[in-house]
Amino acid sequence: EAGVAQSPRYKIIEKRQSVAFWCNPISGHATLYWYQQILGQGPKLLIQFQNNGVVDDSQLPKDRFSAERLKGVDSTLKIQPAKLEDSAVYLCASSIGQYYGYTFGSGTRLTVV
Amino acid sequence: AQSVTQLDSHVSVSEGTPVLLRCNYSSSYSPSLFWYVQHPNKGLQLLLKYTSAATLVKGINGFEAEFKKSETSFHLTKPSAHMSDAAEYFCVVIGSGSARQLTFGSGTQLTVLP
Repeated sequence: EAGVAQSPRYKIIEKRQSVAFWCNPISGHATLYWYQQILGQGPKLLIQFQNNGVVDDSQLPKDRFSAERLKGVDSTLKIQPAKLEDSAVYLCASSIGQYYGYTFGSGTRLTVV
Repeated sequence: AQSVTQLDSHVSVSEGTPVLLRCNYSSSYSPSLFWYVQHPNKGLQLLLKYTSAATLVKGINGFEAEFKKSETSFHLTKPSAHMSDAAEYFCVVIGSGSARQLTFGSGTQLTVLP
């Protein structure tokens, strides 16, 4: 089966600019996650979707980050305006259900200068 | 809340020698635990998982881990290291209830020396 697709692979922007990342999960996977991985740290959950509804966004900095999952399939994560500390790899993962495994995409590496 | 602590940020071994990456967990219930590996510029790959079945779990590439409730540990081992094992390894616990989120440890960087 095809994996979790993410784009772009790399993005460099200046602080205060906006940026968007896209994720296409594995077909049929109802649950989708966005994680932020800062260099030298483990991934941290930003938001979890179940179909097109938000299950948990408690760790999403809502003043600058937003995410949506249109029609319960693709998802977009946006940062506006970006800060230097947003430099990280943004990982998307999907799962068919809560008791099954998770598949991660290759991530988008964001550099804010 | 559940959490995992990886006791070593860096581990260095010689090729052909055993690998031990240590992980302790904290959970108020019987947890589900995972080990993931991340090679440079690659995505996270599942090595193995424990979901309250056998306490000794075998994974891919010769890795295995043993769940020890009395020690709240889930250490990752491999009898003989390969150069290709050099990567970042993450111990992960999964949350309870409807929000089955993965909580990652801080990672252990494994270096394999020739």
